[in-house]
Amino acid sequence: SQQGEEDPQALSIQEGENATMNCSYKTSINNLQWYRQNSGRGLVHLILIRSNEREKHSGRLRVTLDTSKKSSSLLITASRAADTASYFCAIGIQGAQKLVFGQGTRLTINP
Amino acid sequence: GAGVSQSPRYKVTKRGQDVTLRCDPISSHATLYWYQQALGQGPEFLTYFNYEAQPDKSGLPSDRFSAERPEGSISTLTIQRTEQRDSAMYRCASSSDRGIGELFFGEGSRLTVL
Repeated sequence: SQQGEEDPQALSIQEGENATMNCSYKTSINNLQWYRQNSGRGLVHLILIRSNEREKHSGRLRVTLDTSKKSSSLLITASRAADTASYFCAIGIQGAQKLVFGQGTRLTINP
Repeated sequence: GAGVSQSPRYKVTKRGQDVTLRCDPISSHATLYWYQQALGQGPEFLTYFNYEAQPDKSGLPSDRFSAERPEGSISTLTIQRTEQRDSAMYRCASSSDRGIGELFFGEGSRLTVL
């Protein structure tokens, strides 16, 4: 399958803690993206990391990419209740103009 | 428009009926994608357009599914002879990139087939 596999499927932490989600994939990629989805609403783009990049930051988000291990991680620091959502990794497949999404990690931040 | 707009937001139909869903992308965006998302799952790729061209429709589940974008702007997704397994959220997204850049998603059209 070209799909990314996310781990864990669900994560529940206390407000203020850091949350880490992982994504593994099997194909060659142009880039890897992370999206957030609140309660069945539309998906919102968070961050894009290219295949030649190893780490990227955006506010409280940190994404790493290890193409040798075909894996990525998303770290959310100092979590807030508003971060409660589903998070999806999406694989930009090399040679194909499409984004393939994983099954998501359901993140719950407890106040 | 300011964002990606989809209609209808909700559609309930009887098995065997045809359904057409509409997507109005961000006006400057060349690329438009259709995804199907089941409850609790990630979006599954259906097809995409570069303007009016449709280079990849490999994700369409069967020949009952078709999509058009005749003038390179608004797109429609039509499901003929709907079946209960077609019940899902159908999401449209657009991108300004000809490559695989950031996608801007609409709120989706929830289809229920009775």
